[in-house]
Amino acid sequence: QVQLVQSGAEVKKPGASVRVSCKASGYTFNSYYIHWVRQAPGQGLEWMGRIDPTSGTTTYAQTFQGRVTMTRDTSTSAVYVALSSLRSEDTAMYYCAISPIIMGHAFDHWGQGTMVTVSA
Amino acid sequence: SYELTQPPSVSVSPGQAARITCSGDALPKQYACWYQQKPDQAPVLVMYKDSERPSGIPERFSASSSGTTVTLTISGVQAEDEADYYCQSADNSGTYQVFGTGTKVTVL
Repeated sequence: QVQLVQSGAEVKKPGASVRVSCKASGYTFNSYYIHWVRQAPGQGLEWMGRIDPTSGTTTYAQTFQGRVTMTRDTSTSAVYVALSSLRSEDTAMYYCAISPIIMGHAFDHWGQGTMVTVSA
Repeated sequence: SYELTQPPSVSVSPGQAARITCSGDALPKQYACWYQQKPDQAPVLVMYKDSERPSGIPERFSASSSGTTVTLTISGVQAEDEADYYCQSADNSGTYQVFGTGTKVTVL
C-alpha cells in the first residue's frame, strides 16, 4: 500500500533553515508528482509547491519563491523540502502528498505531517 | 493570486443535508476536489475530478460543478462528518494549486 513517511518534529530559531523529508513506498516513485502543503495552527491548508520525481523539476508557490527548495533522491525514494530564513509565521504542520494524474489535481495520499516550530 | 472562497461554517442537524460551496474564477476550466480534515489528522480526499468519489468514501458524499462554483453535498449527515472541509483546484494555467479557505461543518 502507498505510504508517505515524514521525518520528525523540528524546533528552529528565527533566521535558521529547516529540511523535512518524505519517504515514499508502495508505488513506483517516479509515477506521481509530490507536493508539499503546510498548515499553521488553527489555519487553513497552504500549497507550497511540487516536484517531479522523474526530472527533479520544481514549481513553487509565489509566496515561497526564493525561500523554498524541493529536492528528491531517487535512490531512496525520498523527497525533501527546505525552507530558509525562518520566521514565527512558518510555525506549521508540513505535509507531503502525491497527485496521480488519474485523480486530476487531487492529493490522494498524504504523509503524517511534520511539525516545525520557529521560536527564539 | 488566485483564491477559492468557501463559507466559514455550516451547521446541520443529523440526517439532514450539508452543502458547502467553493467559488473561483478558474473552476470552469480546472477540476476541483474536496478534503475532510478532523482535528490533529491529515486531510482525507473525499471527492476528486469535480464529482468522482474515491473508493472507501461513503456514498452520502457527492459533489457538483456549475460555472465558477463547485458544491460538496453530504446527504444524511452523521456525527462523524463533523470536520473541516477544503476545496482545492488549480489556477487558469493549471500550474499552481490552491486550497479554499475552509468550512467547518458542525453537526447539531
